[in-house]
Amino acid sequence: DTGVSQNPRHKITKRGQNVTFRCDPISEHNRLYWYRQTLGQGPEFLTYFQNEAQLEKSRLLSDRFSAERPKGSFSTLEIQRTEQGDSAMYLCASSPSNQQGGAFFGQGTRLTVV
Amino acid sequence: LAKTTQPISMDSYEGQEVNITCSHNNIATNDYITWYQQFPSQGPRFIIQGYKTKVTNEVASLFIPADRKSSTLSLPRVSLSDTAVYYCLVGDGTGTASKLTFGTGTRLQVTL
Repeated sequence: DTGVSQNPRHKITKRGQNVTFRCDPISEHNRLYWYRQTLGQGPEFLTYFQNEAQLEKSRLLSDRFSAERPKGSFSTLEIQRTEQGDSAMYLCASSPSNQQGGAFFGQGTRLTVV
Repeated sequence: LAKTTQPISMDSYEGQEVNITCSHNNIATNDYITWYQQFPSQGPRFIIQGYKTKVTNEVASLFIPADRKSSTLSLPRVSLSDTAVYYCLVGDGTGTASKLTFGTGTRLQVTL
């Protein structure tokens, strides 16, 4: 386990389709974060988990977005009825509970909605 | 959460020392200061974290004055490969406060 893994790396989908992304965090990290990043902007917080519990969600996370972390290990982020405005890089990160030493990010999943 | 302010961009020549300053006037007692580096099409990478005074690792140094209302990331002898966006974050490193809040970062361009 060398880092945070995200799959797929790239996803092209038609508007209105559902997409699901997967994140495998560093195994001993119990915090897991999802971010969205558009060109020229910093990552925007979407949601985070402490083990399997989803403790906070951003207002950016509309009803079409849902995230799960069923066993406190990997996590999925689903976007239903995708819109062109959902096109972005979706980043996952993990950290120990105390965040000391920072969070470790995956390479991201780039979503393009056409 | 404490808001951070940093320069939008900086330019440097290869071999120079680069100092990027971040302001965080509303930093809380429990907040740590963390810097990340991001290359295009990659996730941010942790560089350094500190609470007060000076922290140094193999990549950078972080200077934090006594009032902790600002911090300076120092990159010694930059190379072309240090061209990236650098983000300063402050947040509670120990409690239940959660998200890491990124600003727009500082875009560092290193040239020959």
